[in-house]
Amino acid sequence: SQTIHQWPATLVQPVGSPLSLECTVEGTSNPNLYWYRQAAGRGLQLLFYSVGIGQISSEVPQNLSASRPQDRQFILSSKKLLLSDSGFYLCAWSGGGLEAFFGQGTRLTVV
Amino acid sequence: SQQGEEDPQALSIQEGENATMNCSYKTSINNLQWYRQNSGRGLVHLILIRSNEREKHSGRLRVTLDTSKKSSSLLITASRAADTASYFCATGNDYKLSFGAGTTVTVRA
Repeated sequence: SQTIHQWPATLVQPVGSPLSLECTVEGTSNPNLYWYRQAAGRGLQLLFYSVGIGQISSEVPQNLSASRPQDRQFILSSKKLLLSDSGFYLCAWSGGGLEAFFGQGTRLTVV
Repeated sequence: SQQGEEDPQALSIQEGENATMNCSYKTSINNLQWYRQNSGRGLVHLILIRSNEREKHSGRLRVTLDTSKKSSSLLITASRAADTASYFCATGNDYKLSFGAGTTVTVRA
């Protein structure tokens, strides 16, 4: 069966520090991969999606970047965090553009 | 951009009652999905309805889709305390899923 792992679960980082959130998927090949951000009490904002290794599409201009170094690995990064980068980050995968399967999320607090 | 918008934003009901929430969207879709999120957790897929379907059932869930009105509804029958969560609709085209802001449902015991 397919599983998705996202870590860490919580993270507190100072302003200006770098960020690296990792997401890996098991049990499937060539998944579509997504990074979403959810502000408190709000919906999900699609940040990046990837349909293949090295293929990244950015939905909104921001202080973040994404990379897909391997088929089932998706990384969200920042060189210098801003206060406004705080939020709940969710990784997800899908096959064929249908239902998405989410990780448990990372609560990022930038202080 | 967020494609779907749920209504109401919040809903409080007594255990055993039905909960209905609606989703409106703006552009044409291939399918519409409903997800559930427990507080501080990831989203869990509930049900998918394709653009050529009008109604779908899964257990205590009933979803309708009206493409002419660009709207969908999710009905949870005989609600339980464990149904307390936020519910999101998501519309899909190509590879992207766009989510609404969600309806927070509280089921009182």
